Order: sequence, then structure tokens, then C-alpha cells
Amino acid sequence: KAGVTQTPRYLIKTRGQQVTLSCSPISGHRSVSWYQQTPGQGLQFLFEYFSETQRNKGNFPGRFSGRQFSNSRSEMNVSTLELGDSALYLCASSLAPGGVYEQYFGPGTRLTVT
Amino acid sequence: AQSVTQLDSQVPVFEEAPVELRCNYSSSVSVYLFWYVQYPNQGLQLLLKYLSGSTLVESINGFEAEFNKSQTSFHLRKPSVHISDTAEYFCAVSLIQGAQKLVFGQGTRLTINP
Repeated sequence: KAGVTQTPRYLIKTRGQQVTLSCSPISGHRSVSWYQQTPGQGLQFLFEYFSETQRNKGNFPGRFSGRQFSNSRSEMNVSTLELGDSALYLCASSLAPGGVYEQYFGPGTRLTVT
Repeated sequence: AQSVTQLDSQVPVFEEAPVELRCNYSSSVSVYLFWYVQYPNQGLQLLLKYLSGSTLVESINGFEAEFNKSQTSFHLRKPSVHISDTAEYFCAVSLIQGAQKLVFGQGTRLTINP
């Protein structure tokens, strides 16, 4: 069974631009979560989607948004990029919402904002 | 709110020596507990988890962790480490009821010296 895939793996953008990251969950998984990883702040929860609905959102500005499609694939968008948005963005999928379900992480998308 | 503290940011040990990576958590409600491992340039992999039952949980590669409710700890141990264990280790919690999001500690970088 294929794992969680994230595209692109690496991205370089300029301040002020916007970016869209994509995540394809493991087949059969319907819940997708996104995390931001930086050296300073560590791993922080961005949002969680299930059945095309955002169930939870972390403490990030409105420039960060996401969505989930009917096939469970998910995208996250960051508008008006800032230097501080440079990070590894990780997507995780699980069968369903709930801590009892193991979250499987993708390799991440490394975003560099210059 | 939940929080996780990993007491050591870096732990250097010699190959075949024992190691303990410390994790303490804070939560007013019951949580599930996890250890994740991140190898260079990769996403997170679940190492082991405590959901309920026996307080001692083991992974397939020789790691174990013990849930101590009174001390709110979930320390990770291995009796004899190998060079391949060099990685960053993250302790995390998630709510048993409610939001699925994982709250992570800051990570412990385990370095194995020959």
C-alpha cells in the first residue's frame, strides 16, 4: 500500500507570493492533518480535515487555509508569504478522526521563502 | 490545553550503551501518548504508542516506553543503541475525546557515537 505522498517536495518562493501544497493520503484514509515544522517553534498543528470538512484549526493566521476533496486528497494554501513561513510542512493521514487512529506522515514539503 | 516537555534537546551516547529520552506531559483530561522518530530529510514515523492497558509498551526495534500517570511521564528507553538509531525523537499527546491533533514536544536529537 502506498504511503502518504506530498507534492512538491521542495519549493522556493518570494515574499508576498502564494503557494499551494498537496497531500494524497493512504488509500482508504479519510482524515488528513497538516503540521508545520520549524527549528524555532517545532511541530505545530495547522488543521484537520475529514469528509471535506475542517474539524480543527491551529493557531495560525488566516493566510493559512486548506481544503479536502471528495477523494480525501488535501491541499493547503499560504497567501502573502512571509520569511517566517519557511518550514517543513507535513501532512498526515488516518482512517478516521480520533486519537486512537494512527497518523501516518508523508515526507513533507520544504518551503523556503526568500 | 495540553503541553509536552522533552527535557533533553540533545543526547549523545556510545554505540551499544543504554539510553533514556525523557518526556513529561501536562493535560487536564486523559490523553493518548506517542513517540515518533524522524530520520534526516524524512517525515515522522510512529515508534510506539500508549492508548490503554499495560503501561509498558514496546516497539519492534527494541525501544520501550513506560506510561507513569502519577508523574505524567512517558520516557523512552533502549538497553543497547545502534548507529542506525541516530535520529530526532518526538514525544506527542492527543486527546482521547475531541480534536485529533497531536501536540508535540520540542524533540530530542539522539546521536550515537561509535
